[in-house]
Amino acid sequence: QSVLTQPPSVSAAPGQKVTISCSGSSSNIGNNYVSWYQQLPGTAPKLLIYENNKRPSGIPDRFSGSKSGTSATLGITGLQTGDEADYYCGTWDRSLRGWLFGGGTKLTVL
Amino acid sequence: QVQLVESGGNVVQPGRSLRLSCAASGFTFSNYGMQWVRQAPGKGLEWVAVISYDGSDKYYVDSVKGRFTISRDNSKNTLYLQMNSLRAEDTAMYYCARDHAFGYGYYFDYWGQGALVTVSS
Repeated sequence: QSVLTQPPSVSAAPGQKVTISCSGSSSNIGNNYVSWYQQLPGTAPKLLIYENNKRPSGIPDRFSGSKSGTSATLGITGLQTGDEADYYCGTWDRSLRGWLFGGGTKLTVL
Repeated sequence: QVQLVESGGNVVQPGRSLRLSCAASGFTFSNYGMQWVRQAPGKGLEWVAVISYDGSDKYYVDSVKGRFTISRDNSKNTLYLQMNSLRAEDTAMYYCARDHAFGYGYYFDYWGQGALVTVSS
């Protein structure tokens, strides 16, 4: 069981919006930046969001991130079938002195 | 362009050793913290180890402490993961990833394609 808690799966229709939550504690999310990663089937993870809400070059603005207290949220609007993937949140934990990933959320675009 | 290329993955018997390498190019390797992340078949991502840009700081996930060693050779632009006393539960795809300039624990902006390690008798 991961220290960072994500829903195992979410689903929505094409064109709709979905949010994925990531819950932690004061030793991790509460005092550190959160990043989000997309892993398409059979490929390496890809950075989607860094420093809570910033998008790397090339990531469309359909993807957004936010953080409040000890929780973070990834939002995806205008869902496309190509967005079907596993999504992971991640952050540093100052108590564990290590990086944490959430358990991952499988997005299905119906 | 930034490239990270892992090598050294193989099938190995329990209790044996293996060393993974990650060759970096397209950026000033000696300026960046680097990470190893693994993913067991059908499972989620698991962080393994981090090393600071100059090699002075190293941290590991509890399950590999005392068995795995992360290191780097900045003159060769290469990151390493020495894995000893391998167990079946170490079977995974191992990714190297770039962390922050002159820091670590921020985010991983570039990833390699992965090296597959299978521990089996």
